[in-house]
Amino acid sequence: EAGVTQFPSHSVIEKGQTVTLRCDPISGHDNLYWYRRVMGKEIKFLLHFVKESKQDESGMPNNRFLAERTGGTYSTLKVQPAELEDSGVYFCASSQERPGGGNSPLHFGNGTRLTVT
Amino acid sequence: DAKTTQPNSMESNEEEPVHLPCNHSTISGTDYIHWYRQLPSQGPEYVIHGLTSNVNNRMASLAIAEDRKSSTLILHRATLRDAAVYYCILLYYGQNFVFGPGTRLSVLP
Repeated sequence: EAGVTQFPSHSVIEKGQTVTLRCDPISGHDNLYWYRRVMGKEIKFLLHFVKESKQDESGMPNNRFLAERTGGTYSTLKVQPAELEDSGVYFCASSQERPGGGNSPLHFGNGTRLTVT
Repeated sequence: DAKTTQPNSMESNEEEPVHLPCNHSTISGTDYIHWYRQLPSQGPEYVIHGLTSNVNNRMASLAIAEDRKSSTLILHRATLRDAAVYYCILLYYGQNFVFGPGTRLSVLP
């Protein structure tokens, strides 16, 4: 099966610009997650979709970040306007069921490296 | 937030077994123990998970202490490709993953 794919793999933008990251989960996976790692820090949870609904967005840092998952398939994460501290690697993950037991691990993409200058 | 404690780094020689420890003294009865790893320039990758009993799969083995307050990920024969950061994560159903700093494993040829 095709894995989780993320576009673009790298993005360099100037402060104040807008960037949109895209994630295509594994087909049939209702659960989609966004994580990020900023420089020198640990990987942090941003939000979780179940199909097209936001289940948990407690990790979103502020209202400059907007995530969508129209139709319950791919997801986008928009940063507008971007700030220097938004630089980091943004990971998307998907799973068939909620993880935490059973046999439904998270499948991660290789991430989008965002650099804000 | 992370409820586990792991050594910052470990070294192993190629083709030797590696035992990666994880302490989780505050584990609850419903917490599963998950291990993920992150290879350079890639996203985290599932390795193994378990609840109470030891588990084996094609990648590794997971040995869980009888009191469940610690566990060990065992790579039976380390290869250069196993060099990565290994994360031990406790998770109950419906919770979101909380990543700690993990253990950076270096494999020496």
